[in-house]
Amino acid sequence: KAGVTQTPRYLIKTRGQQVTLSCSPISGHRSVSWYQQTPGQGLQFLFEYFSETQRNKGNFPGRFSGRQFSNSRSEMNVSTLELGDSALYLCASSIGQNNEQFFGPGTRLTVL
Amino acid sequence: GENVEQHPSTLSVQEGDSAVIKCTYSDSASNYFPWYKQELGKRPQLIIDIRSNVGEKKDQRIAVTLNKTAKHFSLHITETQPEDSAVYFCAASIGTGNQFYFGTGTSLTVIP
Repeated sequence: KAGVTQTPRYLIKTRGQQVTLSCSPISGHRSVSWYQQTPGQGLQFLFEYFSETQRNKGNFPGRFSGRQFSNSRSEMNVSTLELGDSALYLCASSIGQNNEQFFGPGTRLTVL
Repeated sequence: GENVEQHPSTLSVQEGDSAVIKCTYSDSASNYFPWYKQELGKRPQLIIDIRSNVGEKKDQRIAVTLNKTAKHFSLHITETQPEDSAVYFCAASIGTGNQFYFGTGTSLTVIP
């Protein structure tokens, strides 16, 4: 089976812009979660989608949003980018709940 | 929400020695505790996990112990090898979907 894929792998944006990141889960996985990884902060949970519905949400501002399509692919959007949004954004897919998460390679976002 | 603390943040051991990483969690409802290994520039990968109805789990050189009363769990790596060098993350999940709270990571260096 193909693993979790994310596009693009690298992004450079300027403050105030918006960005959309994409995640394709492992075939058959209906749960997709998004995390922000920064040095010293570890992985911080953004949100989880399951069957096109947001099932869980972390403590991030409303500028961070996401959605999931009927084929389980997911996108996350960050509007009005801030310097502090520079991070590695990881998505992970799972089969069922409370099970192993399979991570994608991440999208490295740099905000200038 | 759940809060996971992880110690130490860095750990250096001689090849062949054991390494122990400890995590504490705050929410007694947490019932699933995975450990992920992230090598430099790569995605996190699950190495072992434990559920709240089990006190200990072992997989070759890796073991995890869970103390529900004290709300802490630990990763034990025996007979360490240079390829064990990586960042290790603990996580906890309450079980409503796939919302994981991660520790801030331990950078393990195994010195040959």
